[in-house]
Amino acid sequence: AQKITQTQPGMFVQEKEAVTLDCTYDTSDQSYGLFWYKQPSSGEMIFLIYQGSYDEQNATEGRYSLNFQKARKSANLVISASQLGDSAMYFCAMREMDTGRRALTFGSGTRLQVQP
Amino acid sequence: DAGVIQSPRHEVTEMGQEVTLRCKPISGHNSLFWYRQTMMRGLELLIYFNNNVPIDDSGMPEDRFSAKMPNASFSTLKIQPSEPRDSAVYFCASSKGGPTEQFFGPGTRLTVL
Repeated sequence: AQKITQTQPGMFVQEKEAVTLDCTYDTSDQSYGLFWYKQPSSGEMIFLIYQGSYDEQNATEGRYSLNFQKARKSANLVISASQLGDSAMYFCAMREMDTGRRALTFGSGTRLQVQP
Repeated sequence: DAGVIQSPRHEVTEMGQEVTLRCKPISGHNSLFWYRQTMMRGLELLIYFNNNVPIDDSGMPEDRFSAKMPNASFSTLKIQPSEPRDSAVYFCASSKGGPTEQFFGPGTRLTVL
């Protein structure tokens, strides 16, 4: 079974609008972390935001926020006030911590295109 | 800080040749990860080290792949012999202990002809 599912291969958004990128996950661990990374066309992986499974509040980092719904096992990324520079691939990832395993499991990614 | 450093950035080689990819993690980070990215399989873990010790190498495709971390500031991923299906972008990442983010290097784009 897929541990991280990103159902939107591609998304379009108008500049200055908000967009939500979906991510659902599957784990039996009680302690885990959820991450979002951005990969622009240049290829580097840029960390955006982190949410711990025990965090009460949704994580926010500038224009990025993570809509964490634990019961639904979803961790959607919300980008507010989209900019042209937000056009990139976005990956959701999970680290399962109960076993002490530190590696990330990635979803298949969503390609976001911001239109002027 | 310089970030995670990988070399070479691009490598083109012929099938059967040995390829060595190099990584210098961020100073003070005690975990190092090698990932591979392909169109077909996405991003997948190959191996990771904690305090220079290999912890999980279940993602290493086969015996042709080997990785070492002789000290806290250097790691190599070697493919011998290389095959066209090894063509991919190979990322190295590092992190501190605990539930912190991983910082990725710029990647090595490997093409095996």
